[in-house]
Amino acid sequence: GAVVSQHPSRVICKSGTSVKIECRSLDFQATTMFWYRQFPKQSLMLMATSNEGSKATYEQGVEKDKFLINHASLTLSTLTVTSAHPEDSSFYICSAPAWGTEAFFGQGTRLTVV
Amino acid sequence: QKEVEQDPGPLSVPEGAIVSLNCTYSNSAFQYFMWYRQYSRKGPELLMYTYSSGNKEDGRFTAQVDKSSKYISLFIRDSQPSDSATYLCAMSARAGANSKLTFGKGITLSVRP
Repeated sequence: GAVVSQHPSRVICKSGTSVKIECRSLDFQATTMFWYRQFPKQSLMLMATSNEGSKATYEQGVEKDKFLINHASLTLSTLTVTSAHPEDSSFYICSAPAWGTEAFFGQGTRLTVV
Repeated sequence: QKEVEQDPGPLSVPEGAIVSLNCTYSNSAFQYFMWYRQYSRKGPELLMYTYSSGNKEDGRFTAQVDKSSKYISLFIRDSQPSDSATYLCAMSARAGANSKLTFGKGITLSVRP
């Protein structure tokens, strides 16, 4: 299957700082990438859809200015959590459709804001 | 009511047991149904993909969809310790890898040797 690499796998940051999470498609080009968030004991929830070369599409209730998404190339999408607060602590995971068949997931990033 | 409800866990079974994992949903627009398996510290990987009602079998795994009841199941026969993982159901209204997925919470399965 296709490989989606997400980095970092785990990050701890101080409240008020920003954190950038990278999602790379290693063996295919991804014009679209999805960003999900998962709180403990909850479902994976779609936050936004990033589109290469254009603005991301955010789901209802997700703050665009807080969760900045950049999809500047066909193999890289980044999610920046700006001015992070403890309530932003969560598991963030990206996925990218490959070859029109299925979406492949990254390994996820465990964010802890202290 | 959440769009997708998945049986709570965790679930622990002995090796060789038949495992039944279930999800219900409320959105009639869902046409495509998936089961993902997620090992610890890894991203989910697609296990089964079905369209509309019926059964689909792949080795020890059988996915079953009953659209009239809005109920889907994943059966694992002759379960193995390597099946120990979190299983998530997911659904979408449209076909294709670009379609938006709605997930269940996931259930953690442990198969005891």
